[in-house]
Amino acid sequence: AQSVTQLDSQVPVFEEAPVELRCNYSSSVSVYLFWYVQYPNQGLQLLLKYLSGSTLVESINGFEAEFNKSQTSFHLRKPSVHISDTAEYFCAVSSIQGAQKLVFGQGTRLTINP
Amino acid sequence: EAEVAQSPRYKITEKSQAVAFWCDPISGHATLYWYRQILGQGPELLVQFQDESVVDDSQLPKDRFSAERLKGVDSTLKIQPAELGDSAMYLCASSLAGLAFGETQYFGPGTRLLVL
Repeated sequence: AQSVTQLDSQVPVFEEAPVELRCNYSSSVSVYLFWYVQYPNQGLQLLLKYLSGSTLVESINGFEAEFNKSQTSFHLRKPSVHISDTAEYFCAVSSIQGAQKLVFGQGTRLTINP
Repeated sequence: EAEVAQSPRYKITEKSQAVAFWCDPISGHATLYWYRQILGQGPELLVQFQDESVVDDSQLPKDRFSAERLKGVDSTLKIQPAELGDSAMYLCASSLAGLAFGETQYFGPGTRLLVL
């Protein structure tokens, strides 16, 4: 079985400041890793995912995440945030074999202050 | 851009009543998921369909919850009777063929249920 821990329930930052949202996972087998974003009153949207290859993955809107197998982490970062990045961010994992359902973390609410 | 449709968006009901939620996945998507998201938590999978067959319903409270996808297209999730603890957001998602090779799941806007 897999589990995901998002270490911060809320992260307030100022506009144009850098941000890191932390995600650690636990699994006895290899996993795929995902970050989803949920804007107010909307469903979840995929932000980025790690399947294999380069451990650094990027999204089209400036976010990046790095898979660290030894630390079992998949932290999300952005060098300069905008007001429009205000949302809830969810880290998720799925096993690469067997039951491949998504297991989500508790979420991190990112609040951008002007 | 194709989207997952859900209705209703909001539902208020009294405990012991029956409620039903509907989901229409993206056209051509074989796999459909129902998740429950309790306030302040991440989504939790309730049931996964591959076409019209259930492939995972291990977290579905089967004494009161049921789900069907009769023609392998749209799906209905039912709760009968509803309990206060069922208040949550119910999310539907779909993917082309399942989570093989880390396929993306596309989520609908959700149905927010309040049980009084």
